[in-house]
Amino acid sequence: AQSVAQPEDQVNVAEGNPLTVKCTYSVSGNPYLFWYVQYPNRGLQFLLKYITGDNLVKGSYGFEAEFNKSQTSFHLKKPSALVSDSALYFCAVRDINNYGQNFVFGPGTRLSVLP
Amino acid sequence: KAGVTQTPRYLIKTRGQQVTLSCSPISGHRSVSWYQQTPGQGLQFLFEYFSETQRNKGNFPGRFSGRQFSNSRSEMNVSTLELGDSALYLCASRPTETNTGELFFGEGSRLTVL
Repeated sequence: AQSVAQPEDQVNVAEGNPLTVKCTYSVSGNPYLFWYVQYPNRGLQFLLKYITGDNLVKGSYGFEAEFNKSQTSFHLKKPSALVSDSALYFCAVRDINNYGQNFVFGPGTRLSVLP
Repeated sequence: KAGVTQTPRYLIKTRGQQVTLSCSPISGHRSVSWYQQTPGQGLQFLFEYFSETQRNKGNFPGRFSGRQFSNSRSEMNVSTLELGDSALYLCASRPTETNTGELFFGEGSRLTVL
């Protein structure tokens, strides 16, 4: 079975500092990995994905994520945080080899960027 | 291209009533999924439809049902509402069920059960 863990419920960072939101996953095969962001009372917005290829993936709004197969991790990063990045972030995984599988989402990490 | 549209955005019901939520996917997308989001349980998968057929179903009671029409629009229904059904219900679409791409989400329908 697939699963996703986001070990931190809350991450606080000062504006201008680098940020990291952690994600680890478990799938039986090879993973498709995704990051989404959710602002209050809104749906989820896609940030970036890893399907194959380069382990460093660049996405929207200056975010990037690094796929680490040995550590089964897919941490979200940004070199310089903005107050407007404050939101709820979700990591999701899907098994490449099982098209019938739905996406599994982590519990979410609330990011607060302090001015 | 218009995004995923969900209606209504907000609704209030009382226990025992039933509710129907609607989702129009992005044009050309044939797969529609539904998720329930609550503060305590996070995002939980309800079901996925493709070409009017339910492909996957999450671990929810039979009070939760859905369907998809020939134009790919989808509805979900919750009967005999309980207080615990209060949640944000999110619909998401993608081009096909085997597509490797991401899900595109709507803004959600926030259901409050009193």
